[in-house]
Amino acid sequence: EAQVTQNPRYLITVTGKKLTVTCSQNMNHEYMSWYRQDPGLGLRQIYYSMNVEVTDKGDVPEGYKVSRKEKRNFPLILESPSPNQTSLYFCASSFRVAGDYIDNEQFFGPGTRLTVL
Amino acid sequence: ILNVEQSPQSLHVQEGDSTNFTCSFPSSNFYALHWYRWETAKSPEALFVMTLNGDEKKKGRISATLNTKEGYSYLYIKGSQPEDSATYLCAFRASGAGSYQLTFGKGTKLSVIP
Repeated sequence: EAQVTQNPRYLITVTGKKLTVTCSQNMNHEYMSWYRQDPGLGLRQIYYSMNVEVTDKGDVPEGYKVSRKEKRNFPLILESPSPNQTSLYFCASSFRVAGDYIDNEQFFGPGTRLTVL
Repeated sequence: ILNVEQSPQSLHVQEGDSTNFTCSFPSSNFYALHWYRWETAKSPEALFVMTLNGDEKKKGRISATLNTKEGYSYLYIKGSQPEDSATYLCAFRASGAGSYQLTFGKGTKLSVIP
């Protein structure tokens, strides 16, 4: 089954304790992205990756790191989590922006609800 | 950060009513406009991806139109059903620099009352 998976789905942690949220897709997508969803603010992009070893900042990258060592995986790393990173996180993937007036839908993972105390 | 606005923020309709909502986006440097449906406790799922001015797309009772020159898209739902209750998100992709980013609006939350 074509899907994007995220782990863990729920996490409660404490300030300063490093954590990683994993994201994996089995659709051979080049493009992967991380978003956070906060009430009243909509989905905001944290980081994205156009392909292996190619990553770039989105609109709210502060406090986060990512890596793209393999095409299927795009982990989100919080080196020193703080309470303002309490949020619902989504990973998404798609085929690359195709050009010539063709764009590709994004497939979203199930979400990770993170609480930082 | 690009400005993508959706209105209304929320909407309650009776079962069987038709409804529509709006997504406004920058009219310059347009590349694509996406619509997603997001049900509570699930993840967003794509409805439409639109790239050409005047584009109209349809999926069952849901359809969308696109006007890139004036920077808006409408989503229509005909004969709303309770299962249509969800948050509808639009997302804008610009051409040129930043074209790898998808900027989302805050969504329109639709509740269909049986």
